[in-house]
Amino acid sequence: EIVLTQSPDFQSVTPKEKVTVTCRASQHIGSSLHWYQQKPDQSPNLLIKYASQSISGVPSRFSGSGSGTDFTLTINSLEAEDAATYYCHQSSSLPFTFGGGTKVEIK
Amino acid sequence: QGQLVESGGGLVKPGGSLRLSCAASGFTFSDYYMSWIRQAPGKGLEWVSYISSSGSTKYYPDSVKGRFTISRDNAKNSLYLQMNSLRAEDSAVYYCARAGAGIDSWGQGTLVTVSS
Repeated sequence: EIVLTQSPDFQSVTPKEKVTVTCRASQHIGSSLHWYQQKPDQSPNLLIKYASQSISGVPSRFSGSGSGTDFTLTINSLEAEDAATYYCHQSSSLPFTFGGGTKVEIK
Repeated sequence: QGQLVESGGGLVKPGGSLRLSCAASGFTFSDYYMSWIRQAPGKGLEWVSYISSSGSTKYYPDSVKGRFTISRDNAKNSLYLQMNSLRAEDSAVYYCARAGAGIDSWGQGTLVTVSS
């Protein structure tokens, strides 16, 4: 099973700051890494697919990078509505797995 | 993008069974692989089953293998999860999810509580 390790677990950030969340895979997964945002009491929402591909309707301040084992989600100029938990997910091999999540709080 | 609506959750005793359903609309259901993903209260996401577009291939993680069965009816645009021998640790919100490029569509979830 591929283990995804996210860091940090929690981040408190001031609006307009830049946020970086990392996801490290225990094995090489190419670009089969996706990012989700989950706001309280809501279902997750796909933010980035295949490491760096943007999703229609997602604000351009969200971007992704990386390949192999190391991946990054970047939120440029954080807004209050971005308060949420962010998860990475790998679809390279079964069983599919998720990272433990990174909670982003607005100061 | 489509819509997914789960039903069938509720309170069940340990060792009991429950069947979850997911009604899909707004997309060609039979074109997509589908999954069930769960989230225990205050915890992260755990993928619990996966089925191919035709239903011929199914996959489960060890935590539910032998107890859960995923199925689908493409004529009815529906996905199912039969859960047997339920345990307290199965208590969670269960999401129906479309496996496109990543999980590109999620239902609102249905809560399953396993307790005596």
